[in-house]
Amino acid sequence: QVQLVQSGAEVKKPGASVKLSCKASGYTFTAYYMHWVRQAPGQGLEWMGIINPIGGDTTYAQEFQGRITMTSDTSAATVYMELTSLTSEDRAVYYCARGYYDFVYWGQGTTVTVSS
Amino acid sequence: QSALTQPASVSGAPGQSITISCSGTSSDVGGYNFVSWYQQHPGKAPKLLIYDVRNRPSGVSNRFSGSKSGNTAYLTISGLQAEDEAHYYCSSYTVTNTRIFGGGTELTVL
Repeated sequence: QVQLVQSGAEVKKPGASVKLSCKASGYTFTAYYMHWVRQAPGQGLEWMGIINPIGGDTTYAQEFQGRITMTSDTSAATVYMELTSLTSEDRAVYYCARGYYDFVYWGQGTTVTVSS
Repeated sequence: QSALTQPASVSGAPGQSITISCSGTSSDVGGYNFVSWYQQHPGKAPKLLIYDVRNRPSGVSNRFSGSKSGNTAYLTISGLQAEDEAHYYCSSYTVTNTRIFGGGTELTVL
């Protein structure tokens, strides 16, 4: 069965960077794109970007341009999302989700806390 | 880009039907048949309910249905059950090859 297992919770200081991982199993990793979506406490879902695991082509939401990088390691069936220059506004649960036009399978989420 | 517009909340009694709207523009909802809907219970990851406007993934109840007219998409839930109480989000593909979510709708089953 398809599983997306994300890395553990992170606590970061303002101005720092965070790099999250999402390990896929149960399907051919290179056959499907992966999104990253975040959800601030009590708020809605926010699309961050998408990566093609083969070749690493990416499209990012304009809101994150310049401080987000998505990468893929096909040998480890894992995608990564790095977000830099963190502020309190980046406090959220971050999800990876497999799909292209939609989000079919979701990871369990990683909580990122930004606090001095 | 602003989020798609959904009502903040809707409610209905068990057994009734409700419809949630999702309004966008010709650059997203109106321009493509790539609207999807998600159900999210507190503390859980979202779950795909509808894709490509009106298609249900295997395992999703046929009480959930989707449609679209112009720049607005709709999710209808028939035969409301207590377990349907959750937040619902729409999403659309956009002209810039990005994706966009609605602000979310909280469904209360009375």
